[in-house]
Amino acid sequence: DAGVIQSPRHEVTEMGQEVTLRCKPISGHNSLFWYRQTMMRGLELLIYFNNNVPIDDSGMPEDRFSAKMPNASFSTLKIQPSEPRDSAVYFCASSLYPQETQYFGPGTRLLVL
Amino acid sequence: AQTVTQSQPEMSVQEAETVTLSCTYDTSESDYYLFWYKQPPSRQMILVIRQEAYKQQNATENRFSVNFQKAAKSFSLKISDSQLGDAAMYFCAYRSINNAGNMLTFGGGTRLMVKP
Repeated sequence: DAGVIQSPRHEVTEMGQEVTLRCKPISGHNSLFWYRQTMMRGLELLIYFNNNVPIDDSGMPEDRFSAKMPNASFSTLKIQPSEPRDSAVYFCASSLYPQETQYFGPGTRLLVL
Repeated sequence: AQTVTQSQPEMSVQEAETVTLSCTYDTSESDYYLFWYKQPPSRQMILVIRQEAYKQQNATENRFSVNFQKAAKSFSLKISDSQLGDAAMYFCAYRSINNAGNMLTFGGGTRLMVKP
């Protein structure tokens, strides 16, 4: 089985531009998580979905960030407008049930100039 | 809120030797899960081992084992017969067992270097 798939793997953009990160969870998993990793803050949860419904978005830094899960096999994390402080590695993870082990994608390395 | 602390920013071990990475956590819950994830230079987060708090037996996966001390809120990872491919960042993580808290809370990580 394929693992969690994320695209793009690397993204370089200029401040003010819109950025869209994509995630395809493991087939059959019904929970999906977006994490951000920075040197300063480590790994932190941004938002998670259960059965395509956002359950906890308290980690979303501000209104510039939004996430959607239109169906069980696809989710997006959008940043508009992007800022240099958004530069980080963004991970998507999925699990069979909310309580089960989370499996991570390869991450998207975002650099905002 | 739960917190996870990894007090060793860096560790090194000689190839074929054994190394132990430390992790402590703070929680008021009685049931929860603990994890060790490995992050090699590729940045992929790879699950190493998982422990359910209600299980007294320490989890083991091949060369990886944990020492889970629930009363002390300690969860250390032992890597036996270290290999060059074990060099990576290792993150300890906590997760609540109830539906309201499915996020992973991560420690700050320990960078493990393996010397040939």
